[in-house]
Amino acid sequence: AQSVTQPDIHITVSEGASLELRCNYSYGATPYLFWYVQSPGQGLQLLLKYFSGDTLVQGIKGFEAEFKRSQSSFNLRKPSVHWSDAAEYFCAVLIKAAGNKLTFGGGTRVLVKP
Amino acid sequence: DVKVTQSSRYLVKRTGEKVFLECVQDMDHENMFWYRQDPGLGLRLIYFSYDVKMKEKGDIPEGYSVSREKKERFSLILESASTNQTSMYLCASRGQGTNTEAFFGQGTRLTVV
Repeated sequence: AQSVTQPDIHITVSEGASLELRCNYSYGATPYLFWYVQSPGQGLQLLLKYFSGDTLVQGIKGFEAEFKRSQSSFNLRKPSVHWSDAAEYFCAVLIKAAGNKLTFGGGTRVLVKP
Repeated sequence: DVKVTQSSRYLVKRTGEKVFLECVQDMDHENMFWYRQDPGLGLRLIYFSYDVKMKEKGDIPEGYSVSREKKERFSLILESASTNQTSMYLCASRGQGTNTEAFFGQGTRLTVV
């Protein structure tokens, strides 16, 4: 069965510092990959997505992610975090061969220190 | 903009009640999903549907059923609510194209007492 792992449950980062959130998936074929963000009391918002092509993907709010096939990873990065980046972040995988099933990781909660 | 609307933001129901959670999308999407979100567990897929009257079990379908009589509406049904079904429920929809993303509703926080 496909699975998505986000190893870090919580990350605390200082404002202005860089941020990297890890995501690993287990599936034989290359899936479609997504990162979503959920701010407190809000719904999920898409940050970026990877379907094919360039393995470095740019998203909204200054985020980027890199797909590494050899590591089955799709890590999210931001060079300099802002206090408004405090939120929960979810990695998701879609396998078309599995009937368009969209599977999420457990999420990483990011706290930003002033 | 795509809009996914869940009928209630907050619900309180009693144990044993039959509960209906409604979700409507306005973009003619083929695929619709129901998830529950619990702290530390992320979003877990309950059921999804890729067409009218079609449904597929997700990872945690026990205690739930769904209905998709019209393309724009996907209902989640708790046949007999239990306290362990207290959770945040999220609905999503997605088009059929190869490079489309899922759009989410605001969620329904269900408390079963």
